[in-house]
Amino acid sequence: SAVISQKPSRDICQRGTSLTIQCQVDSQVTMMFWYRQQPGQSLTLIATANQGSEATYESGFVIDKFPISRPNLTFSTLTVSNMSPEDSSIYLCSVSPGGSNQPQHFGDGTRLSIL
Amino acid sequence: AQSVTQLGSHVSVSEGALVLLRCNYSSSVPPYLFWYVQYPNQGLQLLLKYTTGATLVKGINGFEAEFKKSETSFHLTKPSAHMSDAAEYFCAVSESGGSNYKLTFGKGTLLTVNP
Repeated sequence: SAVISQKPSRDICQRGTSLTIQCQVDSQVTMMFWYRQQPGQSLTLIATANQGSEATYESGFVIDKFPISRPNLTFSTLTVSNMSPEDSSIYLCSVSPGGSNQPQHFGDGTRLSIL
Repeated sequence: AQSVTQLGSHVSVSEGALVLLRCNYSSSVPPYLFWYVQYPNQGLQLLLKYTTGATLVKGINGFEAEFKKSETSFHLTKPSAHMSDAAEYFCAVSESGGSNYKLTFGKGTLLTVNP
């Protein structure tokens, strides 16, 4: 399976600031996704990162808060904007070759704390 | 819409005992089903998947799961627990067919293994 690298692995940020998380894959993949995992909770899909076009956001998530880029088939970024303590979560990138029968493979996540 | 219910947010077993983690799903179309494991400070790792064919699927680390359509269940089992199995386990479902690659996760079950 693909090797997925996420950076940074963790960060502590001040409220009102923004942080960009990078996701790099060692091979070209069709689908890339961004998830949020709040403390003690399950994973919630933020958006699907589409190569060469705008991301597709899930209900409750908006582009102004979570802008996403995907310039090519191996790289994507998620920015968490104007952060507040409620944004303290683990943010995970996942990839899939496409097809709902294909499993998604996850990076190790970015552990974000907002003071 | 699809949903996943994991009964028991916390399961505790003794080393060497049977592990049984429960997962029930609802889906309007035949589902694809996945189990993931999350070790502390790591991302999610795929344990096993069911797409089509044999309803008893074997995964890594001695785990297996059986798809029971009549019971809408996909319970995860392991005959003999090992200390290294202590982790959070997530059941997930995606819909077969179409272009909907979205994974819906259960809330997770934390497995504790006692010596």
